[in-house]
Parts: sequence; structure tokens; C-alpha cells
Amino acid sequence: AQRVTQPEKLLSVFKGAPVELKCNYSYSGSPELFWYVQYSRQRLQLLLRHISRESIKGFTADLNKGETSFHLKKPFAQEEDSAMYYCALSGYGGATNKLIFGTGTLLAVQP
Amino acid sequence: DTEVTQTPKHLVMGMTNKKSLKCEQHMGHRAMYWYKQKAKKPPELMFVYSYEKLSINESVPSRFSPECPNSSLLNLHLHALQPEDSALYLCASSQAIPRQGGNEQYFGPGTRLTVT
Repeated sequence: AQRVTQPEKLLSVFKGAPVELKCNYSYSGSPELFWYVQYSRQRLQLLLRHISRESIKGFTADLNKGETSFHLKKPFAQEEDSAMYYCALSGYGGATNKLIFGTGTLLAVQP
Repeated sequence: DTEVTQTPKHLVMGMTNKKSLKCEQHMGHRAMYWYKQKAKKPPELMFVYSYEKLSINESVPSRFSPECPNSSLLNLHLHALQPEDSALYLCASSQAIPRQGGNEQYFGPGTRLTVT
């Protein structure tokens, strides 16, 4: 079954602390993994994709196929990082266009 | 143009009304999507259009009727909705054919719908 699991509903950290938002997935083929972010009253935005191996706003995420994980990390959290973060996967090699979302983690960065 | 636009931003309608939500993109994407999002929940897929043809209907009630007039436009026609249909309705677009890389979806700001 295709599934994305984000075990934490809420993650609260202090400004300057490291952040790790966990994401595990279950997929039988070759998935493409993404992190999306939704700031308060803003649109859902693509933050990272595993294919690009990039760093955006100080965030990085590495695909670990052995552990089927795609955790999002940032060494020093900022207050403006407070938002809802969704991990998502998309399969390729088939006809589906579906994005499968995790349940989301609300990141709250305290001053 | 790398944005997906949606109108209206807000909509209040009664249970007997008929209204439509509109979505537009000019990124050359040939797949477009409708999602429903409740507060603090992930988007739930409703419909997928690929090359202007409906390819996925996630068992959505018939009071929601999608339409894709051309490759840039997507509509969602609403009729006889229920209060539980109140939510944020999101449109998204992407490349049409899944491939290695490039399967990300780009989302519009949404229409906040309230059914009274």
C-alpha cells in the first residue's frame, strides 16, 4: 500500500534549535518525495524535492531508501519557519498523477 | 508565469445555490487537480484531469461537477452542497505524464467555501 507517515502532529522548538521533521513512506515502486509547506493563510508551496538534493531556506532532506525515510532538517530554526509541513510522494513508471500526502506536522518556533 | 490562480477567494453559498470555482495556469501543464482541504488536514484529492480528460474521480458526490474547458482552465461546479462541504478548495497543476523528476504539483491559493 502507498502511504506517507508523519508521526508528529506538532513539533515545538526554540529559535536557534535544530529541527527534524520525520517522514516515512511505503511504496512498491520508485517514488519521488517532496516536502510542501503551508504558512498561515498562504498557499501550499513546494519546499524540497528529493531529486534536486537542494537546500531551500536552510532546509535539507535526504532520501534514505533503506529506512524508507525522507526527514526534513534545519540546523537553526527561525520564527518564520513556523508553518504546517507536509511530506508527499508521487509514483512514476505508471499512469497515476497522484500525490500522496502525510498528515502533516505543525512546526512552532518559539522566540 | 509560474502561478496557479483561483477565483473567487471566498464564497458563501446556500444549500440550494449553484456556483462555480475557477482555476487557471499558464505553465503549460497538462494535468490539473481539485483538492478539498479541511483545517489542519492534508489536501484530499477529488479529481484529476490529464490532457483535458477526466482521469481520476475519487468517488466524489455528484453535487461536485468538474470541467476542463481547455489546457489552462479548470472549473468546479457546485450544486446543492451540504454544510459539511465547507472547506478550502485547492487547484493544482503538474506535468501530465509521471516520469523521473518533475512530478511536483503547483497549488493555487484556494477558494474558502462556506455552505450555510
